[in-house]
Amino acid sequence: DTAVSQTPKYLVTQMGNDKSIKCEQNLGHDTMYWYKQDSKKFLKIMFSYNNKELIINETVPNRFSPKSPDKAHLNLHINSLELGDSAVYFCASSLGRYSNQPQHFGDGTRLSIL
Amino acid sequence: KQEVTQIPAALSVPEGENLVLNCSFTDSAIYNLQWFRQDPGKGLTSLLLIQSSQREQTSGRLNASLDKSSGRSTLYIAASQPGDSATYLCAPNRDDKIIFGKGTRLHILP
Repeated sequence: DTAVSQTPKYLVTQMGNDKSIKCEQNLGHDTMYWYKQDSKKFLKIMFSYNNKELIINETVPNRFSPKSPDKAHLNLHINSLELGDSAVYFCASSLGRYSNQPQHFGDGTRLSIL
Repeated sequence: KQEVTQIPAALSVPEGENLVLNCSFTDSAIYNLQWFRQDPGKGLTSLLLIQSSQREQTSGRLNASLDKSSGRSTLYIAASQPGDSATYLCAPNRDDKIIFGKGTRLHILP
């Protein structure tokens, strides 16, 4: 009964491949997010969706394409993977925009590009 | 553009001590601020959320304060325990966008 679950937990792949990371939340939240934590442990927002609508896109390369089939899911597809994409990607959710409720995070997906 | 600074970057203290972690941010037009903890290889756990209209929040041995006008927040941990060892992240929120500091790595010595 994990609140925010991401799959896979680990992803090792070669440069140039296309891969997807899935995220699901069972909290009934309206808003979901993707964050990237780089090798220096710096955590930065990438995208935010509210009720399947894109709200925040933080100048992420268009090789990254989030998709929200419903408000409980926010998947991240990455095309033509590059070495610099190696990082931990975190999914999070919150009750709603401006809800003044905390964000809940998944355990992360560790992406390694060979 | 919001910039978040956390001091100190790392801290080691003996078990039982009280300690304070500091956070400063440049854009005070926030509507809340969260403190998170991150354990190695894990996601983030929300510890406290302070709304912009509030001055402090308490949860158990944790107390967070917020001085929005001066762009400062502190996290006070009372009677520290080895289980408190983790990285603590300060995260002010504006327009539903959280900007994280680089964190304070805390190590409590048994």
